[in-house]
Amino acid sequence: AQSVTQLGSHVSVSEGALVLLRCNYSSSVPPYLFWYVQYPNQGLQLLLKYTSAATLVKGINGFEAEFKKSETSFHLTKPSAHMSDAAEYFCAVILSGVGNEKLTFGTGTRLTIIP
Amino acid sequence: ETGVTQSPTHLIKTRGQQVTLRCSSQSGHNTVSWYQQALGQGPQFIFQYYREEENGRGNFPPRFSGLQFPNYSSELNVNALELDDSALYLCASSPRTGARNTEAFFGQGTRLTVV
Repeated sequence: AQSVTQLGSHVSVSEGALVLLRCNYSSSVPPYLFWYVQYPNQGLQLLLKYTSAATLVKGINGFEAEFKKSETSFHLTKPSAHMSDAAEYFCAVILSGVGNEKLTFGTGTRLTIIP
Repeated sequence: ETGVTQSPTHLIKTRGQQVTLRCSSQSGHNTVSWYQQALGQGPQFIFQYYREEENGRGNFPPRFSGLQFPNYSSELNVNALELDDSALYLCASSPRTGARNTEAFFGQGTRLTVV
C-alpha cells in the first residue's frame, strides 16, 4: 500500500517569502511523486514530477521539490512567493505494478499569500 | 492541441436520480481516469478506462459505472444518487506508455450537487 501525507492543511506566507509545503510518502516500491496545483473552481495542473532521474526536480512557476528517500519526503518549495501562488496544492503518488497509473492524492494544503 | 474538456460544468440533481458526466480526452490520449473530489479533500480515484475497457477501480460502489468510446471520450454514470455524492468530479487523460511517470492532464471538473 502507498499513501501521501501533507502536513499542514493551511499555510500562510508573506509575499516574497519562502514557500515550503510538506509531503511525506509511504510506499513499498520506489514511488513516482507529483505535485499538482488547483486554483478555485479549476481542475488540477501539474507543477512537477519525480521520476527517479534527478532528486531535485524543477517545475513550472519557479517551484521545485527534492526527493529524499531517507526522510520519505518530497517537499515543495519556492524561494519567493507571489500573490498568484495562492491556491490549493496536492502531493500525489502513483500506484505501481498493476498496469494502471492511478494517482493517490494527499488531502491538500491551501496556500495563502499575505500582501 | 485541445485539452481535456468536461460537461456539464455544474449540475444539480435530486437524491435517487441518475446522472451522466462526460469527458473528452486530450488529442492522442487513450487512457481516461475519473476522480471524485469532495469539499476540502484530495481527489479519490474512481476508475480508469483504457481502450474502452475498465482498467482498475477504486473503492466505489457498483452504482458508479463508466464507459469509454472508440474516440477515447468517456462517461461517468452514477445511479441512485446520494447526498454524499455531492463533489467535484474530475476527468484526467493520459497517453498509455507503460511508464508510471506518465503525466495525467485534468479537465476543469463537473461540480455535482445532490439535494
